Amino acid sequence: EIVLTQSPDFQSVTPKEKIIITCRASQNIRSNLHWYQQKPGQSPKLLIKSASQSVSGVPSRFSGSGSGTDFTLTINSLEPEDAATYYCHQSSSLRDTFGQGTILEIK
Amino acid sequence: EVRLLESGGALIQPGGSLRLSCAASGFMFSSHAMSWVRQAPGKGLEWVSGITGNGVTTYYADSVKGRFTSSRDNSKTTLYLQMESLRAEDTAVYYCVCRYSGAWTGPFDFWGQGTLVTVSS
Repeated sequence: EIVLTQSPDFQSVTPKEKIIITCRASQNIRSNLHWYQQKPGQSPKLLIKSASQSVSGVPSRFSGSGSGTDFTLTINSLEPEDAATYYCHQSSSLRDTFGQGTILEIK
Repeated sequence: EVRLLESGGALIQPGGSLRLSCAASGFMFSSHAMSWVRQAPGKGLEWVSGITGNGVTTYYADSVKGRFTSSRDNSKTTLYLQMESLRAEDTAVYYCVCRYSGAWTGPFDFWGQGTLVTVSS
């Protein structure tokens, strides 16, 4: 099983700040890494696909990078509505796995 | 508009069985791989199972292998998850998800609203 490890587990930030969330894979997953946002009581929503590809309808302040084993999700100029839990997801193997999640609090 | 509507969640006793359904609309259902992802209360996301567009090939997480079975009826555009020998640790919201890109290595583009399964005596 491919293990994804996110950091940090929790981050508290103020509006307009920038945050970088990292996701490390236990083996090479090329660019088969995707990011989701989940707000309380809602289903997850796709933010970034294939490590760095934008998704229609997602604000441009969200961006992704990386390949192989190390990936990042960057959120520029944070807005209050960005408070959520963020997950990375790998689809490189026949059995997908998710990171443990990063809780983002906006002060 | 892509829509995924899960149903079938319930309170069930340990050792029991349950079948979840996911009614899909708004896309060519038979052309897309589908999966089930679950989320235990207050916990993260866990991939459970995947099935190819033609229903021939299925994959399972080790935690459910041998107990859960994914299937689909493309004529009814419906995905199923048959769950047997349920355990307390299977308690979760179960989401139906679609890889709209078509490739097995693609993201989960669309998610249903989820259905809650509670395993408890």
